[in-house]
Amino acid sequence: SYELTQPPSMSVSPGQTASIPCSGDNLGNKYVCWYQEKPGQSPVLVIYQDVKRPSGIPERFSGSNSGNTATLTITGTQAMDEADYYCQAWDSATVVFGGGTKLTVL
Amino acid sequence: EVQLVESGGGLVQPGGSLRLSCAASRFTFSNYSMNWVRQTPGKGLEWVSYISSNTITTHSADSVKGRFTISRDNAKNSLYLQMNTLRAEDTAVYYCARGRGERDSDQNFYYYMDVWGKGTTVTVSS
Repeated sequence: SYELTQPPSMSVSPGQTASIPCSGDNLGNKYVCWYQEKPGQSPVLVIYQDVKRPSGIPERFSGSNSGNTATLTITGTQAMDEADYYCQAWDSATVVFGGGTKLTVL
Repeated sequence: EVQLVESGGGLVQPGGSLRLSCAASRFTFSNYSMNWVRQTPGKGLEWVSYISSNTITTHSADSVKGRFTISRDNAKNSLYLQMNTLRAEDTAVYYCARGRGERDSDQNFYYYMDVWGKGTTVTVSS
């Protein structure tokens, strides 16, 4: 089965750029989306189709996908961006999630 | 505002059964595929099952195949998950999520979930 790999945790200073990777075999040939999950809340879609932002998601969130790695980038990270982030792709009629990355803003 | 509300969670003994429901409102439910996704304590998201908008196609994770059945009633704007032969490892918060999937101009398929409910908690324990 297809697997997506994310680092379990990352940290970033306020105002800096956070780049969260998601790797998978030939991932660049698939579409990737990203979800943000804060404690006690449901997941929120922040990027879909590799690079698109849903309505209401701040412009500081962006995405890219090439080769074996997709990346969620948060430019000018704010304290409110501290959360778990999950990448997701579709493969062989299944939804595949990465293991999630806990982003700490400190 | 588009809304999904799950219900039916609770405490059940190993080997038992439970049926989850998800009520959809403020969108045309029959136009969208739907999913169940779970999150186990301290762990990440795990996709459970998918059902197409017209109910014809379903897919499930290997971990629940043969035990869980996804279904929907478009006339009632409702999604269901019948869970049988429950195990301790099925303990989780279960979310229903609206799916969006299409092919682009090059016929590449994309799929994402744009609306999520608040979840219902299932605990499997004796």
